[in-house]
Amino acid sequence: AQSVTQLDSQVPVFEEAPVELRCNYSSSVSVYLFWYVQYPNQGLQLLLKYLSGSTLVESINGFEAEFNKSQTSFHLRKPSVHISDTAEYFCAVSAASGGSYIPTFGRGTSLIVHP
Amino acid sequence: ETGVTQSPTHLIKTRGQQVTLRCSSQSGHNTVSWYQQALGQGPQFIFQYYREEENGRGNFPPRFSGLQFPNYSSELNVNALELDDSALYLCASSLSWQETQYFGPGTRLLVL
Repeated sequence: AQSVTQLDSQVPVFEEAPVELRCNYSSSVSVYLFWYVQYPNQGLQLLLKYLSGSTLVESINGFEAEFNKSQTSFHLRKPSVHISDTAEYFCAVSAASGGSYIPTFGRGTSLIVHP
Repeated sequence: ETGVTQSPTHLIKTRGQQVTLRCSSQSGHNTVSWYQQALGQGPQFIFQYYREEENGRGNFPPRFSGLQFPNYSSELNVNALELDDSALYLCASSLSWQETQYFGPGTRLLVL
């Protein structure tokens, strides 16, 4: 079975500092990778996804993630965070299982941006 | 265009009871997935429906069952509720499994 590890349960950072949220997954022949964000008291929203093609994917609000097949990682980065980025971030992987793709989520990383 | 809606928002049940949770897909979406999110955990995939057929299932017992209707709305049924079933239940709709999933706000279930 596929597994997803988010190495940090909580990441505190000061505003305008860079941040990296780490995600590793168990190896599979073909995987699709996602980052979701959950703001306080709101539902999950897709931040970015990797299906194929360029290994570097970007979101509209300055986040980016790089698919590294050899290290089975999909770390999320932002060069300069804002207070409004405070939220829970979930890494997810979809891998083939019996003819369909089953998504597996990590436990989440709480990003806390301090002024 | 309306987003994904779920009902009810909150629910309290006792052990052994049965519950039905409902989800209305975003307009035009024929794929619905259900997730269970326990407190402090990431969502766990329960199952997915595509055009009224189950199209994948996670590691949940048969007492978790579902339906998708011709209008692509969906129900999640849980029989013989256990205390550990207390969680936030999320529904997500998409054009297909590869397309972006749009999540509803969830139904918070408490089993006493």
